[in-house]
Amino acid sequence: AQKVTQAQTEISVVEKEDVTLDCVYETRDTTYYLFWYKQPPSGELVFLIRRNSFDEQNEISGRYSWNFQKSTSSFNFTITASQVVDSAVYFCALSSLMDTGRRALTFGSGTRLQVQP
Amino acid sequence: DAGITQSPRYKITETGRQVTLMCHQTWSHSYMFWYRQDLGHGLRLIYYSAAADITDKGEVPDGYVVSRSKTENFPLTLESATRSQTSVYFCASSEGGGYTFGSGTRLTVV
Repeated sequence: AQKVTQAQTEISVVEKEDVTLDCVYETRDTTYYLFWYKQPPSGELVFLIRRNSFDEQNEISGRYSWNFQKSTSSFNFTITASQVVDSAVYFCALSSLMDTGRRALTFGSGTRLQVQP
Repeated sequence: DAGITQSPRYKITETGRQVTLMCHQTWSHSYMFWYRQDLGHGLRLIYYSAAADITDKGEVPDGYVVSRSKTENFPLTLESATRSQTSVYFCASSEGGGYTFGSGTRLTVV
């Protein structure tokens, strides 16, 4: 079975601090995708990144960066110089293309990030 | 406009009533999914569909029914709503490893 664990339920930081959101996953598949989504207070799910299991390169997009380590089954997300607009719930998710039953995204329980001004 | 549309956005219903949540996508993606979001649980899969007329249960299917007679539509029916089904429901479609979510339906069962 696939599983995603986000151990941090809630994080509170002050603006301009760096913050890392942890994500640990379990899967028996060798080919899979990892995702991060943002859910702002308005409620929609905003796609942030998709990473293929064969690509372990870290990625940076503006203030966001992602660290994918297959050896520890982790896909952590760092926000540099956080801003109030980063306040949201962040979800890590996993999917596999290896069979129909695992095509659905498996989500972690989410981390609520509060950035105080 | 291209996209995935859920309706209604908000719904209040009474215990025991049947209610259907609609989901429509314009891309002809093969896969469609229904999730429910509850505090502390993230998003949990209710049902999914790999193609028209092919559906299967997810993690929390009890009390729900789905159908997919056309590729673009994937309605979710609560046959006899219970208070425990008060939740936010998200529909999604997928093709080639990408996923697109609808805006969600907030359902309250009183």
